[in-house]
Amino acid sequence: RKEVEQDPGPFNVPEGATVAFNCTYSNSASQSFFWYRQDCRKEPKLLMSVYSSGNEDGRFTAQLNRASQYISLLIRDSKLSDSATYLCVVNPVSPGANNLFFGTGTRLTVIP
Amino acid sequence: DAGVIQSPRHEVTEMGQEVTLRCKPISGHDYLFWYRQTMMRGLELLIYFNNNVPIDDSGMPEDRFSAKMPNASFSTLKIQPSEPRDSAVYFCASSLAGVTPYEQYFGPGTRLTVT
Repeated sequence: RKEVEQDPGPFNVPEGATVAFNCTYSNSASQSFFWYRQDCRKEPKLLMSVYSSGNEDGRFTAQLNRASQYISLLIRDSKLSDSATYLCVVNPVSPGANNLFFGTGTRLTVIP
Repeated sequence: DAGVIQSPRHEVTEMGQEVTLRCKPISGHDYLFWYRQTMMRGLELLIYFNNNVPIDDSGMPEDRFSAKMPNASFSTLKIQPSEPRDSAVYFCASSLAGVTPYEQYFGPGTRLTVT
């Protein structure tokens, strides 16, 4: 079983729409969670961390459900520039480990 | 500030040839990661270093792959001999423990095609 699983999409939404992505992780002891964004033919970049209480950054809201082992990302008022692949990322449990497990990504296209 | 630098950006080679990918991490970062990305498997961690020491190489697919980090500012990933199934984008990333340990900064990647 993969460490992190995501629906690959694609999600095609009109400008201004609200869209949500979920991902699930397999290790219940995982402590740190993130969303990275990857534009076409570019490198991944950190979008936001995901905190237990949920957190918001402008139009983006991230939430964590430990009981169900899933993470979500909500994008409100979608912009054309939001078109990208969104990677769900989990830090494993090993003490001192700085490595990350990446999901295969969910592709979003925002349509004019 | 310069980000993570990788070279070459594109590499096309024939099966059986040796390929060397290079990475210069962000100055001061103490972790360096090598990833491989394909459509089918997504982003896979191959190996990572802490203070130039390999910590976990369990993701290295087989003995044809090797990685070194001779100093804090340089790392190489070598494939010898290369095979068509090695075709992928190879990313190098670096991070700094203790501050934002899980924010990894990726280089632009090397797109490898093995024919």
